Amino acid sequence: NAGVTQTPKFRILKIGQSMTLQCTQDMNHNYMYWYRQDPGMGLKLIYYSVGAGITDKGEVPNGYNVSRSTTEDFPLRLELAAPSQTSVYFCASTPGQGAYGYTFGSGTRLTVV
Amino acid sequence: DQQVKQNSPSLSVQEGRISILNCDYTNSMFDYFLWYKKYPAEGPTFLISISSIKDKNEDGRFTVFLNKSAKHLSLHIVPSQPGDSAVYFCAASEGGNNNDMRFGAGTRLTVKP
Repeated sequence: NAGVTQTPKFRILKIGQSMTLQCTQDMNHNYMYWYRQDPGMGLKLIYYSVGAGITDKGEVPNGYNVSRSTTEDFPLRLELAAPSQTSVYFCASTPGQGAYGYTFGSGTRLTVV
Repeated sequence: DQQVKQNSPSLSVQEGRISILNCDYTNSMFDYFLWYKKYPAEGPTFLISISSIKDKNEDGRFTVFLNKSAKHLSLHIVPSQPGDSAVYFCAASEGGNNNDMRFGAGTRLTVKP
């Protein structure tokens, strides 16, 4: 049982380049999330999805886009990368509301130079 | 706005002693509170949760206490073990349709043998 799988683990981008961070879960969870973690800070929500075909913005959505065509996949797209997007990105999923904990992927460390 | 705050960036305790990690929040609409543990180069893993209708939840060596009037929660680890050394994040959620969580900045716990 793989849980939440994120690829790539590391990436260096040049300013203005674009890329897609991949996230796949095999637990049939409806809820999926993208967070970023900057040094010394908590995780901040970028985008979330409550089911296939449904996405919405979180706290820090600017510069990012998402899609959710299947229950399993929730890719995060960075357009025109900027140094401020240098961060560690985590994808997470959960089966429902309330006290269910998230299952996180192992993260993607992105550096924009 | 930092709705969930962990004011101690680090904590060091001796093996076998109690570890107490603290968390404060400002949003009175939070209904669920969770603790996550994170090792380097891994995603956070869910540890324990509590809903706002309770003031205590216990799971083995881990106990979470909630004081709603003070908007404060704490995680107690007894007895502490070297393998508990990690960063601990407090998180809170209103529940609701999207179930997104707000995270604190984390506390690095070091348990010395």
